[in-house]
Amino acid sequence: TQLLEQSPQFLSIQEGENLTVYCNSSSVFSSLQWYRQEPGEGPVLLVTVVTGGEVKKLKRLTFQFGDARKDSSLHITAAQPGDTGLYLCAGADAGTEKDNRKLIWGLGTSLAVNP
Amino acid sequence: DSGVTQTPKHLITATGQRVTLRCSPRSGDLSVYWYQQSLDQGLQFLIQYYNGEERAKGNILERFSAQQFPDLHSELNLSSLELGDSALYFCASGGRADNEQFFGPGTRLTVL
Repeated sequence: TQLLEQSPQFLSIQEGENLTVYCNSSSVFSSLQWYRQEPGEGPVLLVTVVTGGEVKKLKRLTFQFGDARKDSSLHITAAQPGDTGLYLCAGADAGTEKDNRKLIWGLGTSLAVNP
Repeated sequence: DSGVTQTPKHLITATGQRVTLRCSPRSGDLSVYWYQQSLDQGLQFLIQYYNGEERAKGNILERFSAQQFPDLHSELNLSSLELGDSALYFCASGGRADNEQFFGPGTRLTVL
C-alpha cells in the first residue's frame, strides 16, 4: 500500500514565526500537489511540483520537491492567522497511466497560527 | 471559486434512507472524482468517472454508487445509510495537466 506521510500532524504557532511541514513516501511520484483546506470547505490547490529538486515560491510559501521525487516540503515564512488550515499533499503515482495518474493523499498537517 | 458546484450543501437524514449528491465539474473538465472526508479517516477517494465512464475505484462501499451523465455532471447515490456514513462528501474535477484536481464546496451529510 502506497502511503504519503505528513508531519507534523498538528502545529500551533504564533503569528510571525516560520514553519516547515513535510510530506514523505517511499514511492516515486510523477508530480506532487499541495492543497490547503479550511474547515467545512473543499481543498484548494496551491501548487504542483513536477521536476526533482524543483522549488516554487508563492508569496510567503516555498515548496520543494525532493531530488528523487519521493518527498516534498512546504515552508511558510512569517506565518499569519490567514494561513490557518489543513495542508494536504497528494502525489501522482508514477506507475499508473500517464494521463490519468492515481493520486495518493496524505492525512494532512493541521496548522493554527495564533495572533 | 473553483468552478465546481455541489448540491445540496447540507443533508440530514435517517438511518436506512437513500440520498443523492450532485456535482457539476469545471467547464472543460472530463473527470469527476468523489471523496469522503471524516475526522478520523482523512480524505478517502471513492470513485472517478472520465467522460461518462468509470475510470478508477477506491474505497467505495457496495451501498454507494455513482454515475456521470452526458453533460458531464455526476451523481453519488448513498443507500441504506448508517450512522458511520456521516461525513463531508467532496466532488473534484480535473483531467488536464499534472493530474490537478479542483474541489467543490462539499456536501455535509448527517445521518441520525
